[in-house]
Amino acid sequence: QSVLTQPPSVSGAPGQRVSISCTGSSSNIGAGYDVHWYQHLPGTAPKLLIYANNNRPSGVPDRISGSKSGTSASLAITGLQAEDEADYYCQSFDSSLVGHVFGSGTKVTVL
Amino acid sequence: QVQLVESGGGVVRPGTSLRLSCAASGFTFKSYGMHWVRQAPGKGLEWVALIWHDGSGQYYAASLKGRFTISRDNSKNTLYLQMNSLRAEDSGVYYCARLGHGDNGDFFDSWGQGTQVSVSS
Repeated sequence: QSVLTQPPSVSGAPGQRVSISCTGSSSNIGAGYDVHWYQHLPGTAPKLLIYANNNRPSGVPDRISGSKSGTSASLAITGLQAEDEADYYCQSFDSSLVGHVFGSGTKVTVL
Repeated sequence: QVQLVESGGGVVRPGTSLRLSCAASGFTFKSYGMHWVRQAPGKGLEWVALIWHDGSGQYYAASLKGRFTISRDNSKNTLYLQMNSLRAEDSGVYYCARLGHGDNGDFFDSWGQGTQVSVSS
C-alpha cells in the first residue's frame, strides 16, 4: 500500500491532454514537502520530469507541467505523443515514516 | 554526462547476503548524496537508503529493519548496498540514484539502469 495514491492508469489520443493525480496526507504533501515526478519505461532508468512541484529539468518539454495544492499534486501532459507511453510516479517526503515515499504509479497509454 | 552503472545482482537463497555496487562517472561523485531505490516485480518504486556525500550520515526505509547497509568509497566513485538476511520480498530491480536537493524535500535527479536481485529457494 503506497503512501501516495495515484490512479492505476490514464489514457488519451495523440494530441490530447492527460492529467495524473497524486494524493497524500498531512504528514507528506500536506506538511509542505515538495512533490517530484518521474517517467519510467520498464527496463530503463527512471527519468526526473518535474522537481519541486512545478520545475522542469533541462531537456523536459514545456508540454509537461506540475502543480500542487493542499494534500495533492498533479502532473499534466498536453499534446500527448506516442513516446509519452510509460509509467509515471510522484514522490515526496513523509515526516511520520521519516523517509522518501513514492506514489503507486500510473500507466499512461496513448490510444 | 552523469552515468550510474549498477552491478552485483543475481539469484540467491533466502537468508544469504549480497553486495550491490554502483559506479559513478560524469560528475564529482564526492559532492553528492546518493540513494538506493528498488522495484519489486509488478510493483512501484520504493526508497531504500540514502548516504550523505561524505558518508557521514546514512538513512534507511523503516521496513528494512537493519538488514541493509549503504556505504561509499569516494576514491573509487562507487556506491554500495550490503544486503543481509535476504528474503523473497527483497527481490526486484535495484537502482542507484543521485540526490537532488530541494528547499522542501529532496529528489532523485539521475538514475542508473538497475541490477536485478532474485531471492528464491
